[in-house]
Amino acid sequence: SQTIHQWPATLVQPVGSPLSLECTVEGTSNPNLYWYRQAAGRGLQLLFYSVGIGQISSEVPQNLSASRPQDRQFILSSKKLLLSDSGFYLCAWSVRWSEKLFFGSGTQLSVL
Amino acid sequence: QKEVEQNSGPLSVPEGAIASLNCTYSDRVSQSFFWYRQYSGKSPELIMSIYSNGDKEDGRFTAQLNKASQYVSLLIRDSQPSDSATYLCAVAATQGGSEKLVFGKGTKLTVNP
Repeated sequence: SQTIHQWPATLVQPVGSPLSLECTVEGTSNPNLYWYRQAAGRGLQLLFYSVGIGQISSEVPQNLSASRPQDRQFILSSKKLLLSDSGFYLCAWSVRWSEKLFFGSGTQLSVL
Repeated sequence: QKEVEQNSGPLSVPEGAIASLNCTYSDRVSQSFFWYRQYSGKSPELIMSIYSNGDKEDGRFTAQLNKASQYVSLLIRDSQPSDSATYLCAVAATQGGSEKLVFGKGTKLTVNP
């Protein structure tokens, strides 16, 4: 069966510090991978998606970036965090476009 | 911009009642529809998917789809306090030349013992 791992679960970072969140998927090959952010009281915002190694598409211009160094590994990064980067970050995977998404357990990021 | 609209709630029902959650969408050609449940502080969990007009039942959950009216609903029968959560509607929509899931902001459901 397929599983998705995301870490860390919680993170408190000062403004201006770097960020690296990692996500891995097991039990499937060549999945579509996604990074979402959910701010308090708001909906899910798609940040990045990837259909293959090295292929990254950005949905929202911002100071975040994503990379996919391996087929089942997806990384979200920032060089300098802003207060507005606080939120609940979710990694997800799907077999293909417009199919059901399966989410990781999420990372609660607080930028202070 | 394709949109998915849900009443934010909160929707409050007594234990044992039927909870009815509604969702409307703007993309007329959408073909895939999903309901997710999200407990506070947790990630969304897929509970139902529906692709054809009509009803689809899974245990206490029934998803209803009406593509002509562009709405999808979720009924929860015999509601339990453990059903208290935010329910997210997701619709496959075409944006920027590619198809992706668009999420509503969710309806918060509270089931009172």
